[in-house]
Amino acid sequence: GENVEQHPSTLSVQEGDSAVIKCTYSDSASNYFPWYKQELGKRPQLIIDIRSNVGEKKDQRIAVTLNKTAKHFSLHITETQPEDSAVYFCAASYPGGGADGLTFGKGTHLIIQP
Amino acid sequence: DAGITQSPRHKVTETGTPVTLRCHQTENHRYMYWYRQDPGHGLRLIHYSYGVKDTDKGEVSDGYSVSRSKTEDFLLTLESATSSQTSVYFCAISGGQYSNQPQHFGDGTRLSIL
Repeated sequence: GENVEQHPSTLSVQEGDSAVIKCTYSDSASNYFPWYKQELGKRPQLIIDIRSNVGEKKDQRIAVTLNKTAKHFSLHITETQPEDSAVYFCAASYPGGGADGLTFGKGTHLIIQP
Repeated sequence: DAGITQSPRHKVTETGTPVTLRCHQTENHRYMYWYRQDPGHGLRLIHYSYGVKDTDKGEVSDGYSVSRSKTEDFLLTLESATSSQTSVYFCAISGGQYSNQPQHFGDGTRLSIL
């Protein structure tokens, strides 16, 4: 099955700086890569996703890049703000797999220092 | 927010008792999923459904069963709860004809097995 590794587990950045979270996946058949943001006690919320036919996708201050050859993808947050503080999860899935759900990384706790 | 309601939101019960969690959606989506979230493990897929009466196992299905008798409802049952099943349980849904589409999560059920 798929295995997703996520780094770092904790990331502390100054407000206004950029943050980068990286994930690697194991199954080359994976073709869908979402990112979720989860605030304490809340549900995971989809913030951006990318498919394997695209190398980069942006939405305002957030962007995701995908390197299929290296089997890794990254979340980039620019001009970080206090409300960006949360746990971020990457995930991967592939169609027709034994379980068509998402395989998640273990999460990155992003702390924005004022 | 996606129309997903999980019930109950919190439950405390004793080892050996049966427990049923409910996920109700108003989106008429085909795919529904149950995940559990534990510290250090991220989210892990328990079971999923790709239609009425069509279900399959995920990564951590032992000790759990599911049923889907209507499009809108997906039930997760712990036949005989154990302390290792103490967790936060999230339901997710995704639309479209095929799987591998964006998933949206409910607010979760916090389950404690004493």
